[in-house]
Amino acid sequence: QKEVEQNSGPLSVPEGAIASLNCTYSDRGSQSFFWYRQYSGKSPELIMFIYSNGDKEDGRFTAQLNKASQYVSLLIRDSQPSDSATYLCAVKDTGRRALTFGSGTRLQVQP
Amino acid sequence: KAGVTQTPRYLIKTRGQQVTLSCSPISGHRSVSWYQQTPGQGLQFLFEYFSETQRNKGNFPGRFSGRQFSNSRSEMNVSTLELGDSALYLCASSLGDRANSPLHFGNGTRLTVT
Repeated sequence: QKEVEQNSGPLSVPEGAIASLNCTYSDRGSQSFFWYRQYSGKSPELIMFIYSNGDKEDGRFTAQLNKASQYVSLLIRDSQPSDSATYLCAVKDTGRRALTFGSGTRLQVQP
Repeated sequence: KAGVTQTPRYLIKTRGQQVTLSCSPISGHRSVSWYQQTPGQGLQFLFEYFSETQRNKGNFPGRFSGRQFSNSRSEMNVSTLELGDSALYLCASSLGDRANSPLHFGNGTRLTVT
């Protein structure tokens, strides 16, 4: 059973702080890693994807991947109340072409 | 560019009935995937279609089926509905040309089975 684990939270951070969201995965064959944001009652929205070890930055968001340790993280700098949502980590292996999702981490940014 | 469009947005059905959900992918996207989201199980993969062929399938019973048309639009059918089928059904499209193509989700169809 391929698994993707996330702390369900809620993770509470003050406005302007850095929010750090973590995800671990069990399948060493995983090739692609995605972060989605889901507001309550809405569908998941793609934030970032990362394929190679290291960091990938896009605006206030940084994805970090460490395949040896089988974890991927998402950093949100200068957190805003509008960032309050559930963040879903998803992993795809090349063969299966299907995403396996974690259960999500609920982030609350306090004004 | 228009996003992924799912219809209808809401459905209420009775146990034993069947239902068909529709999905129009982003223009140029040839892969359509379907996911079920419930509070207890989270997001679970149903199946993926590419060029009218089912390329991948999740661990759902045969009551769940789908198809894709030549214009890449897709439909999902659930027969003999059960109470446990109540969920948000999400369609996602991608270019599908590479295994790591990102998926873009539609707004979903919320199905309630009574």
